[in-house]
Amino acid sequence: SQQGEEDPQALSIQEGENATMNCSYKTSINNLQWYRQNSGRGLVHLILIRSNEREKHSGRLRVTLDTSKKSSSLLITASRAADTASYFCAIANFGNEKLTFGTGTRLTIIP
Amino acid sequence: DAEITQSPRHKITETGRQVTLACHQTWNHNNMFWYRQDLGHGLRLIHYSYGVQDTNKGEVSDGYSVSRSNTEDLPLTLESAASSQTSVYFCASSETQGLAGISYNEQFFGPGTRLTVL
Repeated sequence: SQQGEEDPQALSIQEGENATMNCSYKTSINNLQWYRQNSGRGLVHLILIRSNEREKHSGRLRVTLDTSKKSSSLLITASRAADTASYFCAIANFGNEKLTFGTGTRLTIIP
Repeated sequence: DAEITQSPRHKITETGRQVTLACHQTWNHNNMFWYRQDLGHGLRLIHYSYGVQDTNKGEVSDGYSVSRSNTEDLPLTLESAASSQTSVYFCASSETQGLAGISYNEQFFGPGTRLTVL
């Protein structure tokens, strides 16, 4: 069964607004990663946050991790039309190299 | 530049036929993975390999097999294709944590193969 569950499943916002999507998981983790998938393409790694970190930034991306609630959020600030894509969280457990992906959030930016 | 490629990009086959999907990476990564992506299920792991001659079953391995004879390639074989195997297939690779200063297991994905089984 999948560990990562994204919320919401779909999100539409106006260009320039901020987009927030959430990921919940069930067990202890080594790290949590976020990926983007443009239509018809493979996934691209965006950002990784380790289990001992609480917040991380990369450009317009901000990721938070709350291990007590077993949840993470991805914030995209000042959204652009090019941010339209599906976003997936991926869970990395200790002791192996596998990732478990959630079902994704489909983000649409309205120009 | 290093990359990961998949071929073919699109494939139509008939029920019962054997199909092989190719995956080739030039990152020199130890780890390679095969996923399938279906609406409502996200990405599900089929098989994975941590090195030459190493293969492991993932979450949805029934009806699929892989072999790893070199670092660069991990072909995925559908022994007898079924309509339930119609999907988009992604190959990915990563380096092993702890090697050469690598401290996280980011995966690099290929462009995908869309397989239709009629």
